[in-house]
Amino acid sequence: AQSVTQLDSHVSVSEGTPVLLRCNYSSSYSPSLFWYVQHPNKGLQLLLKYTSAATLVKGINGFEAEFKKSETSFHLTKPSAHMSDAAEYFCVVSEALGGSEKLVFGKGTKLTVNP
Amino acid sequence: AAGVIQSPRHLIKEKRETATLKCYPIPRHDTVYWYQQGPGQDPQFLISFYEKMQSDKGSIPDRFSAQQFSDYHSELNMSSLELGDSALYFCASSPGLAGIHEQYFGPGTRLTVT
Repeated sequence: AQSVTQLDSHVSVSEGTPVLLRCNYSSSYSPSLFWYVQHPNKGLQLLLKYTSAATLVKGINGFEAEFKKSETSFHLTKPSAHMSDAAEYFCVVSEALGGSEKLVFGKGTKLTVNP
Repeated sequence: AAGVIQSPRHLIKEKRETATLKCYPIPRHDTVYWYQQGPGQDPQFLISFYEKMQSDKGSIPDRFSAQQFSDYHSELNMSSLELGDSALYFCASSPGLAGIHEQYFGPGTRLTVT
């Protein structure tokens, strides 16, 4: 079974400083990986996805993630945090089903951005 | 662009009552997924449908059932509600064809059981 581990439950940064949210995955084959963001009392929005094309994936709002097979990692980064980035971030791996796929979520990392 | 629609957005029920949650996928998406997110928890997969057939089942209680209709909308039926069923229920849809497709999530239905 596929799984992801988010290494930090909380990350706090100052506005304008870099963001690093860490994620390791476990998969018996080449996985499809995603980062979703959830703002308070809101739904889930896709930030970016990796599907075995380029290992460096660019997403929305200046976020990007790098797939590193040797380290089984898919860390999310952003050069400069903005107050609006404060949210819960989920690293997600997809698991193939018959004709569809289910998503397996990490436990989430809550990002706080301080002024 | 059209998004996934869920109704109702909020629902308050008492213990032992029943609830029905509805999901309308993005047009031309034939796959629907249901997830449950408890307070402070990550979303957990409940069940999915592909072309109106159940494709997989996750941690869905026997008290819950779901189906996908001919117009591809889906309903999650929950009976004998318990306090622990209070959660945010997400529906997601995808094209569901071979290959990797991201799932597009609806805004969720917040169910409160009192």
